[in-house]
Amino acid sequence: EAGVTQFPSHSVIEKGQTVTLRCDPISGHDNLYWYRRVMGKEIKFLLHFVKESKQDESGMPNNRFLAERTGGTYSTLKVQPAELEDSGVYFCASSQDFRGEQFFGPGTRLTVL
Amino acid sequence: AQTVTQSQPEMSVQEAETVTLSCTYDTSENNYYLFWYKQPPSRQMILVIRQEAYKQQNATENRFSVNFQKAAKSFSLKISDSQLGDTAMYFCAFMKPNDYKLSFGAGTTVTVRA
Repeated sequence: EAGVTQFPSHSVIEKGQTVTLRCDPISGHDNLYWYRRVMGKEIKFLLHFVKESKQDESGMPNNRFLAERTGGTYSTLKVQPAELEDSGVYFCASSQDFRGEQFFGPGTRLTVL
Repeated sequence: AQTVTQSQPEMSVQEAETVTLSCTYDTSENNYYLFWYKQPPSRQMILVIRQEAYKQQNATENRFSVNFQKAAKSFSLKISDSQLGDTAMYFCAFMKPNDYKLSFGAGTTVTVRA
């Protein structure tokens, strides 16, 4: 069974540009989570989807970040416009139910210059 | 909000030896879950071990074991008989019951030397 996949693995963009990160969860997992690790600090929760619905986006840093999960399958996280402080590793995870084990992807390393 | 602290940014261990990673946390909850995750270089983060706070027995998974001290709010991970494949970043994490948000520590990079 394929695990959680994320694309791209690395992205380098200029400040002010737009970047879209993609996450494909494990098939059949209704719950999808985004987390972020900035500057070698703690990994922090960004938001949680159940199917296509946003259940909790309390961790989203500001309105430059937009997450979608159309059709309840893959999810995208768009940063527009990107700022220097957005650099970090963005992790996606999925789980079968909301208290179940979260399976993580390898992360997307975003560098904003 | 829960705080998870990993005080050791980096650790190095000789192959076949034992290394212990520390983790402390701060919470007012009586019941909760604790986790250790491992992320090898450029690979997925995987769950190594999970502990439920209401269980007094320390969790064990093969060469990985924890020392859970609830009163001290401490949750250390011991890796026995270290192998080269154990080289990774290790994250300690906390979750409240009936919740889904993981609160992570800053991570400890473990390097196993041949």
